[in-house]
Amino acid sequence: QVQLQESGPRLLRPSETLSLSCTVSGGSISRFYWSWIRQAPGKGLEWIGYIYSNGKSNISPALKSRLTLSVETSKNEVSLRLTSVTVADTAVYYCARGGATEFDGLDVWGLGTTVTVSS
Amino acid sequence: QSGLTQPPSVSGVTGQRVTISCAGSSANIGAPFDVHWYQQVPGTAPRLLIFTNNRRPSGVPARFSASRSATSASLAISGLQVEDEADYYCQSYSRSGSVIFGGGTRLTVL
Repeated sequence: QVQLQESGPRLLRPSETLSLSCTVSGGSISRFYWSWIRQAPGKGLEWIGYIYSNGKSNISPALKSRLTLSVETSKNEVSLRLTSVTVADTAVYYCARGGATEFDGLDVWGLGTTVTVSS
Repeated sequence: QSGLTQPPSVSGVTGQRVTISCAGSSANIGAPFDVHWYQQVPGTAPRLLIFTNNRRPSGVPARFSASRSATSASLAISGLQVEDEADYYCQSYSRSGSVIFGGGTRLTVL
């Protein structure tokens, strides 16, 4: 079955850039929407953006100036790049698969990767 | 403020039926947009519980059901079991196409 694996650095300093990847195995990245969701310690789920396999993306207004999403179909991988991180960006970051439209539920989730921003 | 309001917590005893509400507005659920529900056991990733308002993915017990009205939605769990203790999130969309989550509801099984 389809599995997602997030990867990237776990500890960053304020003002650094966070880069995470989500590798898809057991299925194709094509013709699906891929979302990134984060969860700050003790808090709820926060959607941060999605990208379609053709590169079309939609970013949360709260992060629009700092977040870039990309897709690499040859590697079956989606990535995020968040610049100028602060302590408020400390969270577990999940990637999740949507459907053929942006309005489908997120049916496959990665295990998540914990990112800590601290000086 | 996510735009979707859920009660912070609900509780029930084993075997009981509980419901979790998700209140939205004409800017999201009422636009209209579909509602999805997720279950998150603490320390694990969320899993899709209900999609497109009232449909269950394969493997989700029939004890879980959901409904949607004009600007709100609700999740019902019947025959409550200890393993249902988790956080539950509703999810819909804003008119700009953003994905929005409710604040989450912690279900405690007494």
